[in-house]
Amino acid sequence: NAGVTQTPKFQVLKTGQSMTLQCAQDMNHNSMYWYRQDPGMGLRLIYYSASEGTTDKGEVPNGYNVSRLNKREFSLRLESAAPSQTSVYFCASTWDRAGNNEQFFGPGTRLTVL
Amino acid sequence: AQSVTQLDSQVPVFEEAPVELRCNYSSSVSVYLFWYVQYPNQGLQLLLKYLSGSTLVKGINGFEAEFNKSQTSFHLRKPSVHISDTAEYFCAVSEWAAGNKLTFGGGTRVLVKP
Repeated sequence: NAGVTQTPKFQVLKTGQSMTLQCAQDMNHNSMYWYRQDPGMGLRLIYYSASEGTTDKGEVPNGYNVSRLNKREFSLRLESAAPSQTSVYFCASTWDRAGNNEQFFGPGTRLTVL
Repeated sequence: AQSVTQLDSQVPVFEEAPVELRCNYSSSVSVYLFWYVQYPNQGLQLLLKYLSGSTLVKGINGFEAEFNKSQTSFHLRKPSVHISDTAEYFCAVSEWAAGNKLTFGGGTRVLVKP
């Protein structure tokens, strides 16, 4: 099993450009998450999908959109990138929305917006 | 709303010495508690978690943590560190019955010196 995979690993954008970060999991998990990691701030939840067909905002959703394409895939879209969105983005998944479940993380996408 | 504070942003420690990483949380309801580790250029992986029961929790790689409800703390310890423990460590909480949405602390970077 590959676990949680993310593409691309690295990306450089200019201000105003758009892009989609891809995430897929092969563990038959129901819930998936997008976080951003910034120095000294830990990880902050952008959006999550408790189950296929549902998405909800997290702590920092502004400037992002998500799509739960199917049970395996959960993408994050930046419609008009801004320098403040320079960050490392992590996708995670877990069995369901029960609070005691471990989340499994992908390797991350390092995004720079110039 | 819940919050997590990791009191030390960096902890230098010599090989084979003990280490303690401090974590305090704030929440108006009961929580589940987690410690995750992030090795350089990788995603996060679970070290250990506290759900209920015994307040001393043992995890992988010789780490353990103690839950203290009265002090709202969940400190992580290892009696003897190795060079390979050099990593960033994150404390996280999720609230009971609020879905598996993690709130992370800012992280503690551990540098093990020979």
